[in-house]
Amino acid sequence: QQQVKQSPQSLIVQKGGISIINCAYENTAFDYFPWYQQFPGKGPALLIAIRPDVSEKKEGRFTISFNKSAKQFSLHIMDSQPGDSATYFCAASMNYGGSQGNLIFGKGTKLSVKP
Amino acid sequence: GAGVSQTPSNKVTEKGKYVELRCDPISGHTALYWYRQSLGQGPEFLIYFQGTGAADDSGLPNDRFFAVRPEGSVSTLKIQRTERGDSAVYLCASSLYPGAIGYTFGSGTRLTVV
Repeated sequence: QQQVKQSPQSLIVQKGGISIINCAYENTAFDYFPWYQQFPGKGPALLIAIRPDVSEKKEGRFTISFNKSAKQFSLHIMDSQPGDSATYFCAASMNYGGSQGNLIFGKGTKLSVKP
Repeated sequence: GAGVSQTPSNKVTEKGKYVELRCDPISGHTALYWYRQSLGQGPEFLIYFQGTGAADDSGLPNDRFFAVRPEGSVSTLKIQRTERGDSAVYLCASSLYPGAIGYTFGSGTRLTVV
């Protein structure tokens, strides 16, 4: 049972454009929603994260939008650059800051930014 | 060390053989996690250590998989009687405190079972 559904599977954007990746979750007990960026041959690296008590979080060119009622959240990359080309994963976990902490990942979105 | 170190970076083994994958977490990190990432998929949780003890091993797929962390630092993931379906990248992550905040992942060990 896939608890975090991510779309699209792949995305091609022109340099300077906006990249948008969407995720939906099922378990309302999730209380921490990070996005990870992964380059080939490397482990995932935390990009930005949000808790369900806020609807939006922005860090530089990266913004998470969160819709608790719809159980959806999305990543927006403004002014996309070729260096942003990577695979992006949304994730969710329970027990924020607690003793649990294992993450449930989406299947990933491969982003290609064309110069 | 500066980051999470995993060795070897690549491992090719024959079906039925035993393998050990090593993870050196960031110094001082008490929590350590193992994940498995199959081609084209997101990482899947395997096991979580708090100190020396396995706090949650619910993600281990079967009893061929076992992990230890005897001194609360380095961890070893052990796979017995390997099968071709075990082929994947095995990722290790550590964090200063328990919980998903502040995870740092290693680059992984790519295991290929032939």
